[in-house]
Amino acid sequence: KQEVTQIPAALSVPEGENLVLNCSFTDSAIYNLQWFRQDPGKGLTSLLLIQSSQREQTSGRLNASLDKSSGRSTLYIAASQPGDSATYLCAGVNYGQNFVFGPGTRLSVLP
Amino acid sequence: DGGITQSPKYLFRKEGQNVTLSCEQNLNHDAMYWYRQDPGQGLRLIYYSQIVNDFQKGDIAEGYSVSREKKESFPLTVTSAQKNPTAFYLCASSPLKGGRTDTQYFGPGTRLTVL
Repeated sequence: KQEVTQIPAALSVPEGENLVLNCSFTDSAIYNLQWFRQDPGKGLTSLLLIQSSQREQTSGRLNASLDKSSGRSTLYIAASQPGDSATYLCAGVNYGQNFVFGPGTRLSVLP
Repeated sequence: DGGITQSPKYLFRKEGQNVTLSCEQNLNHDAMYWYRQDPGQGLRLIYYSQIVNDFQKGDIAEGYSVSREKKESFPLTVTSAQKNPTAFYLCASSPLKGGRTDTQYFGPGTRLTVL
């Protein structure tokens, strides 16, 4: 069964820095990987969805990549802002299964 | 506006009581899901449904029940058999493409506290 981990668990950076969040999965037969943002006490907001036929997706200052062979996905945030402070979760889904979520990375961007 | 609504936002339950959490979507999605989130942990799947009048157990279904009488609605009942129900509950929906789960959309969540 698919397992998803995220490193680091928490990250604090000064405003303006570029940063990378990591997501690792155990089963390379993944067909979708989705990145979400969660603000405290709120639901999840979808950021990017990468299908297995794609290697990356971009939305504004966000870029997500998927490397199935190494079991990794990364979320790159350019020119970070205090408003980016939130918990970021990745989730992967394999054929015939449901999404499996990582525990999240809690990001703080300091002004 | 299209989206997923959950109610109530906060819910308090006495031990031994059953409570029902509401989830409604107007996105015309086939699949709906219930997750539980505990502090410092990822989401864990409770139940899911891909079609009306059919649903499947997730990883932690014990002490929970669901129904899917309408495409738009997927209520979750937390029964007295659930030993540790205090948590944040999230409902999600997704379209199915070729029978496969696509992008998931989430509601705002319900925080359940057992007194």
